[in-house]
Amino acid sequence: GDSVTQMEGPVTLSEEAFLTINCTYTATGYPSLFWYVQYPGEGLQLLLKATKADDKGSNKGFEATYRKETTSFHLEKGSVQVSDSAVYFCARLGGNTPLVFGKGTRLSVIA
Amino acid sequence: DGGITQSPKYLFRKEGQNVTLSCEQNLNHDAMYWYRQDPGQGLRLIYYSQIVNDFQKGDIAEGYSVSREKKESFPLTVTSAQKNPTAFYLCASSRRHEATNEKLFFGSGTQLSVL
Repeated sequence: GDSVTQMEGPVTLSEEAFLTINCTYTATGYPSLFWYVQYPGEGLQLLLKATKADDKGSNKGFEATYRKETTSFHLEKGSVQVSDSAVYFCARLGGNTPLVFGKGTRLSVIA
Repeated sequence: DGGITQSPKYLFRKEGQNVTLSCEQNLNHDAMYWYRQDPGQGLRLIYYSQIVNDFQKGDIAEGYSVSREKKESFPLTVTSAQKNPTAFYLCASSRRHEATNEKLFFGSGTQLSVL
């Protein structure tokens, strides 16, 4: 069935470091792809999305490019801040199922 | 302000007891969802509803029940049949189900614990 696999955390980085969180998806049809972020004690918020191959989603300095050839949607940020500490979820939408989430990757940024 | 509201924020259940988690949205969204979040397991879909008076089981529906009598409301009941109910429960909504670029709006969650 449809699935999303993302790198396991936790990921700990120093402030201003470069961030990559890997995400791959099963290639059933042409799904839309999303990154959601969850801050402590809260629900999820949409961070960025891409709806077709080669699209790049971006928001708050984060970017992810829809790579059909590698079925990937890796999240990147050039310089992380302490306020970016959160859990990040990759997700796909397509076919007959509601949004399918990866297991989440916890990011901790230390000053 | 438009949004999605879950209550209570914390809930405790005794053995053999049914408890109901509330989820209300004033976004005029057709679709609503319940997810369960456990550490290290991400989000798993319990139930979803595409329209009033209709709902479908998700991946882990056993031990749960829902109703969708009003567009704004999608309460989740955790029954005594759910043997491991301790988790963080998230409700979400979207304008339409299965739209290719439709984003979900999430509530702030309910932490359910067993006494």
